[in-house]
Amino acid sequence: GQSLEQPSEVTAVEGAIVQINCTYQTSGFYGLSWYQQHDGGAPTFLSYNALDGLEETGRFSSFLSRSDSYGYLLLQELQMKDSASYFCAVYNFNKFYFGSGTKLNVKP
Amino acid sequence: DAGITQSPRYKITETGRQVTLMCHQTWSHSYMFWYRQDLGHGLRLIYYSAAADITDKGEVPDGYVVSRSKTENFPLTLESATRSQTSVYFCASNDQRTGVLNIQYFGAGTRLSVL
Repeated sequence: GQSLEQPSEVTAVEGAIVQINCTYQTSGFYGLSWYQQHDGGAPTFLSYNALDGLEETGRFSSFLSRSDSYGYLLLQELQMKDSASYFCAVYNFNKFYFGSGTKLNVKP
Repeated sequence: DAGITQSPRYKITETGRQVTLMCHQTWSHSYMFWYRQDLGHGLRLIYYSAAADITDKGEVPDGYVVSRSKTENFPLTLESATRSQTSVYFCASNDQRTGVLNIQYFGAGTRLSVL
């Protein structure tokens, strides 16, 4: 089976840096993705790692260690608009499996 | 307007009724997916389709039926709705031909309540 573990909630202040972790167990693996979802909205793609290491996209970075079955999303220079839920997802044999999501609360 | 659209956005129905949720995409993406989202469970895959007339089950297919006669449409039918199917349903598409197979594009969702 597939399972992904994320913290349920994280709180940080505006301007700070926050890291959201994701550990996974899967029978096959082609990559780890991250999605953002604002309340009442649809998930939107943020980042993807197929290989070990860090991928940077503006204020967001994502890291993957396949040997540890672990990844994280790093958000820098937090803004109020970053308050949302963040989901990690693994792609495996044509299917996507999502974690239960981490709710990020950004405070002024 | 190009993209992926779902209809209706909101639906209230009664137990035992048949309900169909529509999904339409204009990108000609080969893959389409249906998810349900419940509090504490994230997104769970119901069914997916790799191309027209090719569908397969996901994690939670029981009580649902899909079809895909045209590439752009992927309707989801609840044959006899139950209260446990009250949820937010998201359709998504993905074009694995371009090599960016890990990006999914989601519709705005359908909020379904079964009374």
